[in-house]
Amino acid sequence: GAVVSQHPSRVICKSGTSVKIECRSLDFQATTMFWYRQFPKQSLMLMATSNEGSKATYEQGVEKDKFLINHASLTLSTLTVTSAHPEDSSFYICSASGGRLEQYFGPGTRLTVT
Amino acid sequence: GNSVTQMEGPVTLSEEAFLTINCTYTATGYPSLFWYVQYPGEGLQLLLKATKADDKGSNKGFEATYRKETTSFHLEKGSVQVSDSAVYFCALSVLSGGSNYKLTFGKGTLLTVNP
Repeated sequence: GAVVSQHPSRVICKSGTSVKIECRSLDFQATTMFWYRQFPKQSLMLMATSNEGSKATYEQGVEKDKFLINHASLTLSTLTVTSAHPEDSSFYICSASGGRLEQYFGPGTRLTVT
Repeated sequence: GNSVTQMEGPVTLSEEAFLTINCTYTATGYPSLFWYVQYPGEGLQLLLKATKADDKGSNKGFEATYRKETTSFHLEKGSVQVSDSAVYFCALSVLSGGSNYKLTFGKGTLLTVNP
């Protein structure tokens, strides 16, 4: 149980375009979803926390107009990187929680902006 | 604030060697502690956890004990295998904003086990 999927697993886009990443909880209801960013050989940096039906709460230094997060249902959250630039290239990982302590992580999405 | 410090790698061991990866933390409040493992190109998997002092988390031969007096949660395994090669993250979780548990991660330790 507690499976989280992400789609796509890899995406390459041109600079200036927008990219949407989906995060789904497959077998439980995720009241809270988290979005992380991971740079090569570094730790995970929490970008934002979203509760179903509410606006996301962004961590300090994360541009909310650039990284749009939607959590419209208990099984789906999306992260849209708007007007992507090469410096946005990274590994994006989501996690989901059913309102309890544990977070279950998706497999990640590798974004490359050319 | 909350922070996690874990030993820097990379760590390279031979198969069947003993593994220790040190982790210490600072936290406001009473955190829960975790070890996550990340295999190449994948997301994170929970390896083990402990939610209160003196608890021992264990899984797949790995163990870690929540030591409040030393604010530590060191990961150990008596005999590592090649398949244990991965990046290991120590993390803590505290209740934030009234209802959400936010994870704070260490920088990760790359473990390579050679045959």
